[in-house]
Amino acid sequence: SQELEQSPQSLIVQEGKNLTINCTSSKTLYGLYWYKQKYGEGLIFLMMLQKGGEEKSHEKITAKLDEKKQQSSLHITASQPSHAGIYLCGADNRDDKIIFGKGTRLHILP
Amino acid sequence: NAGVMQNPRHLVRRRGQEARLRCSPMKGHSHVYWYRQLPEEGLKFMVYLQKENIIDESGMPKERFSAEFPKEGPSILRIQQVVRGDSAAYFCASSQGIGELFFGEGSRLTVL
Repeated sequence: SQELEQSPQSLIVQEGKNLTINCTSSKTLYGLYWYKQKYGEGLIFLMMLQKGGEEKSHEKITAKLDEKKQQSSLHITASQPSHAGIYLCGADNRDDKIIFGKGTRLHILP
Repeated sequence: NAGVMQNPRHLVRRRGQEARLRCSPMKGHSHVYWYRQLPEEGLKFMVYLQKENIIDESGMPKERFSAEFPKEGPSILRIQQVVRGDSAAYFCASSQGIGELFFGEGSRLTVL
Protein backbone atom coordinates (compact mmCIF):
# COMPACT_ATOMS: atom_id res chain seq x y z
CA SER A 1 0.00 0.00 0.00
CA GLN A 2 1.01 3.58 -0.52
CA GLU A 3 3.11 5.23 2.17
CA LEU A 4 4.03 8.85 2.46
CA GLU A 5 6.97 9.90 4.57
CA GLN A 6 7.13 13.52 5.68
CA SER A 7 10.23 15.16 7.07
CA PRO A 8 10.87 16.67 9.41
CA GLN A 9 8.13 15.53 11.78
CA SER A 10 8.32 18.86 13.56
CA LEU A 11 10.09 22.10 12.95
CA ILE A 12 10.73 25.19 15.06
CA VAL A 13 11.78 28.22 13.09
CA GLN A 14 12.54 31.82 13.98
CA GLU A 15 10.12 34.28 12.40
CA GLY A 16 11.50 35.59 9.14
CA LYS A 17 13.52 32.48 8.34
CA ASN A 18 12.98 30.18 5.37
CA LEU A 19 12.09 26.53 5.73
CA THR A 20 11.48 23.40 3.66
CA ILE A 21 9.24 20.41 4.29
CA ASN A 22 9.65 17.20 2.29
CA CYS A 23 7.23 14.48 1.29
CA THR A 24 8.44 11.18 -0.18
CA SER A 25 6.20 8.53 -1.65
CA SER A 26 6.80 4.78 -1.77
CA LYS A 27 4.87 4.60 -5.04
CA THR A 28 4.48 6.55 -8.26
CA LEU A 29 2.82 9.87 -7.71
CA TYR A 30 -0.02 10.77 -10.05
CA GLY A 31 -0.90 13.83 -8.07
CA LEU A 32 0.37 15.42 -4.89
CA TYR A 33 -1.65 17.65 -2.59
CA TRP A 34 -0.51 19.97 0.17
CA TYR A 35 -2.85 20.92 2.97
CA LYS A 36 -2.43 23.00 6.10
CA GLN A 37 -4.19 22.28 9.36
CA LYS A 38 -4.35 24.75 12.21
CA TYR A 39 -4.26 23.01 15.56
CA GLY A 40 -7.72 21.71 16.43
CA GLU A 41 -9.25 22.74 13.11
CA GLY A 42 -9.95 21.36 9.66
CA LEU A 43 -7.68 21.16 6.64
CA ILE A 44 -7.14 23.99 4.21
CA PHE A 45 -6.11 23.19 0.66
CA LEU A 46 -2.85 24.84 -0.39
CA MET A 47 -1.76 23.38 -3.73
CA MET A 48 -2.05 20.45 -6.09
CA LEU A 49 0.82 19.27 -8.28
CA GLN A 50 0.37 16.80 -11.10
CA LYS A 51 3.26 16.96 -13.50
CA GLY A 52 6.89 16.14 -12.91
CA GLY A 53 8.87 19.31 -12.43
CA GLU A 54 5.75 21.31 -11.72
CA GLU A 55 6.12 24.19 -9.32
CA LYS A 56 3.36 26.31 -7.82
CA SER A 57 3.38 29.28 -5.50
CA HIS A 58 0.81 30.88 -3.25
CA GLU A 59 1.90 33.97 -1.40
CA LYS A 60 5.14 32.93 0.32
CA ILE A 61 4.64 29.20 -0.08
CA THR A 62 6.14 27.29 -3.02
CA ALA A 63 5.72 23.60 -3.75
CA LYS A 64 7.57 21.45 -6.28
CA LEU A 65 7.02 17.94 -7.56
CA ASP A 66 9.91 15.69 -8.52
CA GLU A 67 8.08 12.84 -10.17
CA LYS A 68 11.16 10.70 -10.79
CA LYS A 69 12.15 10.85 -7.16
CA GLN A 70 8.53 10.44 -6.09
CA GLN A 71 9.03 13.45 -3.90
CA SER A 72 7.61 16.88 -3.26
CA SER A 73 8.92 19.78 -1.25
CA LEU A 74 7.13 22.74 0.31
CA HIS A 75 9.17 25.87 0.85
CA ILE A 76 8.13 28.85 2.97
CA THR A 77 9.99 32.10 2.53
CA ALA A 78 10.28 34.64 5.35
CA SER A 79 8.09 32.67 7.73
CA GLN A 80 5.42 34.41 9.79
CA PRO A 81 3.43 33.37 12.87
CA SER A 82 0.43 32.76 10.59
CA HIS A 83 2.38 29.93 8.92
CA ALA A 84 2.32 27.87 12.11
CA GLY A 85 0.32 24.65 11.92
CA ILE A 86 0.48 21.13 10.59
CA TYR A 87 1.38 20.62 6.94
CA LEU A 88 0.13 17.44 5.34
CA CYS A 89 0.94 16.01 1.96
CA GLY A 90 -1.53 13.73 0.23
CA ALA A 91 -0.96 11.36 -2.68
CA ASP A 92 -3.27 10.46 -5.48
CA ASN A 93 -2.67 6.86 -6.55
CA ARG A 94 -5.49 6.77 -9.05
CA ASP A 95 -7.40 4.44 -6.79
CA ASP A 96 -10.15 6.84 -5.85
CA LYS A 97 -8.71 8.16 -2.63
CA ILE A 98 -6.00 10.45 -1.31
CA ILE A 99 -3.58 8.98 1.22
CA PHE A 100 -1.93 11.39 3.66
CA GLY A 101 1.38 11.51 5.44
CA LYS A 102 1.63 12.01 9.19
CA GLY A 103 2.24 15.71 8.82
CA THR A 104 4.94 18.18 9.77
CA ARG A 105 4.27 20.35 12.80
CA LEU A 106 5.59 23.85 12.26
CA HIS A 107 6.14 26.30 15.09
CA ILE A 108 7.24 29.88 14.47
CA LEU A 109 9.14 31.71 17.19
CA PRO A 110 8.50 35.46 17.36
CA ASN B 1 -21.45 28.99 -0.50
CA ALA B 2 -21.45 26.72 2.50
CA GLY B 3 -18.47 24.44 2.77
CA VAL B 4 -18.47 20.91 4.09
CA MET B 5 -20.55 20.86 7.25
CA GLN B 6 -19.92 18.38 10.00
CA ASN B 7 -21.84 17.89 13.20
CA PRO B 8 -21.54 17.58 16.01
CA ARG B 9 -18.20 19.35 16.37
CA HIS B 10 -17.66 17.66 19.71
CA LEU B 11 -19.22 14.47 21.00
CA VAL B 12 -18.73 12.71 24.32
CA ARG B 13 -19.82 9.12 24.75
CA ARG B 14 -19.40 6.48 27.42
CA ARG B 15 -17.97 3.11 26.54
CA GLY B 16 -20.59 0.92 24.89
CA GLN B 17 -22.72 3.77 23.54
CA GLU B 18 -23.20 4.64 19.90
CA ALA B 19 -21.74 7.63 18.09
CA ARG B 20 -23.24 9.15 14.95
CA LEU B 21 -21.31 11.71 12.98
CA ARG B 22 -22.89 13.64 10.14
CA CYS B 23 -21.43 15.26 7.09
CA SER B 24 -23.12 17.44 4.49
CA PRO B 25 -20.87 17.81 1.43
CA MET B 26 -20.39 21.01 -0.48
CA LYS B 27 -23.17 21.86 -2.89
CA GLY B 28 -22.71 19.98 -6.12
CA HIS B 29 -20.34 17.39 -4.65
CA SER B 30 -21.41 13.76 -4.81
CA HIS B 31 -18.21 12.18 -3.47
CA VAL B 32 -17.69 11.92 0.29
CA TYR B 33 -14.64 10.67 2.18
CA TRP B 34 -14.19 9.97 5.88
CA TYR B 35 -10.81 10.16 7.60
CA ARG B 36 -9.75 9.60 11.18
CA GLN B 37 -7.02 11.54 12.93
CA LEU B 38 -5.58 10.28 16.19
CA PRO B 39 -3.62 12.65 18.45
CA GLU B 40 -0.18 13.37 16.97
CA GLU B 41 -1.02 11.24 13.92
CA GLY B 42 -1.83 12.00 10.33
CA LEU B 43 -5.11 11.41 8.56
CA LYS B 44 -6.09 7.79 8.04
CA PHE B 45 -8.48 7.03 5.20
CA MET B 46 -11.59 5.18 6.30
CA VAL B 47 -14.22 5.12 3.58
CA TYR B 48 -15.19 6.67 0.25
CA LEU B 49 -18.84 6.95 -0.72
CA GLN B 50 -20.96 8.24 -3.53
CA LYS B 51 -24.70 8.67 -3.31
CA GLU B 52 -26.16 5.38 -2.03
CA ASN B 53 -22.93 3.50 -2.74
CA ILE B 54 -19.83 2.57 -0.78
CA ILE B 55 -16.95 2.74 -3.25
CA ASP B 56 -14.00 1.93 -1.02
CA GLU B 57 -14.17 0.93 2.64
CA SER B 58 -10.68 -0.51 2.89
CA GLY B 59 -9.83 1.73 5.84
CA MET B 60 -12.89 0.93 7.93
CA PRO B 61 -12.53 -1.37 10.93
CA LYS B 62 -14.39 -4.59 10.21
CA GLU B 63 -16.60 -4.36 13.27
CA ARG B 64 -18.69 -1.64 14.90
CA PHE B 65 -18.07 0.96 12.15
CA SER B 66 -20.42 1.67 9.29
CA ALA B 67 -21.00 4.52 6.87
CA GLU B 68 -23.75 5.56 4.53
CA PHE B 69 -24.52 8.35 2.10
CA PRO B 70 -28.23 8.20 1.33
CA LYS B 71 -29.96 9.70 -1.68
CA GLU B 72 -31.29 12.45 0.53
CA GLY B 73 -29.55 13.87 3.57
CA PRO B 74 -26.05 13.88 4.96
CA SER B 75 -23.48 11.13 5.03
CA ILE B 76 -23.34 9.38 8.39
CA LEU B 77 -20.46 7.61 10.07
CA ARG B 78 -21.77 5.32 12.79
CA ILE B 79 -19.70 3.76 15.52
CA GLN B 80 -21.44 1.19 17.68
CA GLN B 81 -20.36 0.17 21.17
CA VAL B 82 -17.61 2.77 21.31
CA VAL B 83 -14.35 2.04 23.11
CA ARG B 84 -11.70 4.45 24.39
CA GLY B 85 -9.54 3.76 21.33
CA ASP B 86 -12.24 5.30 19.13
CA SER B 87 -11.49 8.73 20.62
CA ALA B 88 -10.24 10.79 17.70
CA ALA B 89 -11.08 13.56 15.30
CA TYR B 90 -13.17 12.36 12.38
CA PHE B 91 -12.94 14.45 9.24
CA CYS B 92 -15.25 14.41 6.28
CA ALA B 93 -14.21 15.66 2.86
CA SER B 94 -16.11 16.06 -0.37
CA SER B 95 -15.20 16.49 -4.01
CA GLN B 96 -16.63 16.49 -7.49
CA GLY B 97 -14.66 13.32 -8.21
CA ILE B 98 -11.48 14.93 -9.48
CA GLY B 99 -9.26 17.57 -7.99
CA GLU B 100 -8.83 18.56 -4.41
CA LEU B 101 -10.83 17.45 -1.43
CA PHE B 102 -12.67 20.04 0.62
CA PHE B 103 -12.61 19.24 4.30
CA GLY B 104 -15.02 19.96 7.11
CA GLU B 105 -13.93 21.20 10.52
CA GLY B 106 -14.10 17.71 11.95
CA SER B 107 -16.01 15.97 14.71
CA ARG B 108 -14.05 15.28 17.86
CA LEU B 109 -15.18 12.16 19.65
CA THR B 110 -14.22 11.55 23.25
CA VAL B 111 -15.03 8.20 24.80
CA LEU B 112 -15.11 8.16 28.59
